[in-house]
Amino acid sequence: EDQVTQSPEALRLQEGESSSLNCSYTVSGLRGLFWYRQDPGKGPEFLFTLYSAGEEKEKERLKATLTKKESFLHITAPKPEDSATYLCAVQAGSGYALNFGKGTSLLVTP
Amino acid sequence: DTAVSQTPKYLVTQMGNDKSIKCEQNLGHDTMYWYKQDSKKFLKIMFSYNNKELIINETVPNRFSPKSPDKAHLNLHINSLELGDSAVYFCASSQDVNEQYFGPGTRLTVT
Repeated sequence: EDQVTQSPEALRLQEGESSSLNCSYTVSGLRGLFWYRQDPGKGPEFLFTLYSAGEEKEKERLKATLTKKESFLHITAPKPEDSATYLCAVQAGSGYALNFGKGTSLLVTP
Repeated sequence: DTAVSQTPKYLVTQMGNDKSIKCEQNLGHDTMYWYKQDSKKFLKIMFSYNNKELIINETVPNRFSPKSPDKAHLNLHINSLELGDSAVYFCASSQDVNEQYFGPGTRLTVT
């Protein structure tokens, strides 16, 4: 059975304090690994898709990387507006469904 | 323009009632989904339709019935609502197996 584990569950950072969120997965036939951001009371917002080990993608202060067992979401010099829950999801085989982790709740304080 | 929209945003109803949630996407995607997010914020797939054909039907009570009148719409009907059905329901869409775009969610409260 596919498993997605995110750590830490919650993270508090000072503004400008860089850190990384982890997403470890076990899946047969990874098709893609997805990162989403979710703000309170809103739907998940798509950030990145990674397809193969070694792949990296960047968007503003965020950088996602992928290995054969895990993905990292690196946040460089975060700002308070980066506060949100970050969700990782995997898509396997020929399937369409996203299998989500439980998320990391990030709080960035001024 | 809203890419994926859902109505209503909030739904409060009593146990035993029947209710529907509607979803529309204007992205031209061929696949639509329903996810349930529980009180612990865990998102789980319920159903998926590709070109109006049901392709994912996870283990959910048969009180839940999706219906796709066309590629741009996917509705969720729930019969005989129970307390445990209280959650936030998200609709999403994608083009084939690519990234999914989510709606704003419908918060269902069953009293």
